[in-house]
Amino acid sequence: ETGVTQTPRHLVMGMTNKKSLKCEQHLGHNAMYWYKQSAKKPLELMFVYNFKEQTENNSVPSRFSPECPNSSHLFLHLHTLQPEDSALYLCASSSGRVGSYGYTFGSGTRLTVV
Amino acid sequence: SQQGEEDPQALSIQEGENATMNCSYKTSINNLQWYRQNSGRGLVHLILIRSNEREKHSGRLRVTLDTSKKSSSLLITASRAADTASYFCATDEGVQGAQKLVFGQGTRLTINP
Repeated sequence: ETGVTQTPRHLVMGMTNKKSLKCEQHLGHNAMYWYKQSAKKPLELMFVYNFKEQTENNSVPSRFSPECPNSSHLFLHLHTLQPEDSALYLCASSSGRVGSYGYTFGSGTRLTVV
Repeated sequence: SQQGEEDPQALSIQEGENATMNCSYKTSINNLQWYRQNSGRGLVHLILIRSNEREKHSGRLRVTLDTSKKSSSLLITASRAADTASYFCATDEGVQGAQKLVFGQGTRLTINP
């Protein structure tokens, strides 16, 4: 375990469903991140939260809705997704300060949209 | 936003040989980091090199950074089958003290026993 826990590990959902991905860290980190990893593409930064405040939304479609109730928890709410949204969704946390050690990643949620 | 670009995209070597992967980037950075990912899993942080550093070692890993050429390399010495994974470089593009990593496409490394 890395200290960043993502649930569920696997998710299959229809295009009309609503589901949520959860990420939790108890490393004392102040920043949390959502990344999308699709086949043959670089990791795409989706959202950045620093001290619970969203500091980056990387032109993500509104069918993805993040929520950060506190510095330890991060959610990604999903609704009316498309098949091309199928990917590995990775959560990461860090101290948030430039030059700090690095990101700690969770194991990811493998999402399949049918 | 800019991304590090790894080269080669795939590398296959025999166990015991050294593996070298390269990364190029486009703009100024605060630091550059290397990560490893086993198939379908999360990324694991390997090493961070700051923009004012030229070389760094960690066990069998050696990282170099040339800011004039905007490039970095990761050397894994005496490779093992367990080193088989994808390796990513990431540039820290954070501003105003806030961290923000941008990743490249990665190099898929296969170590043959």
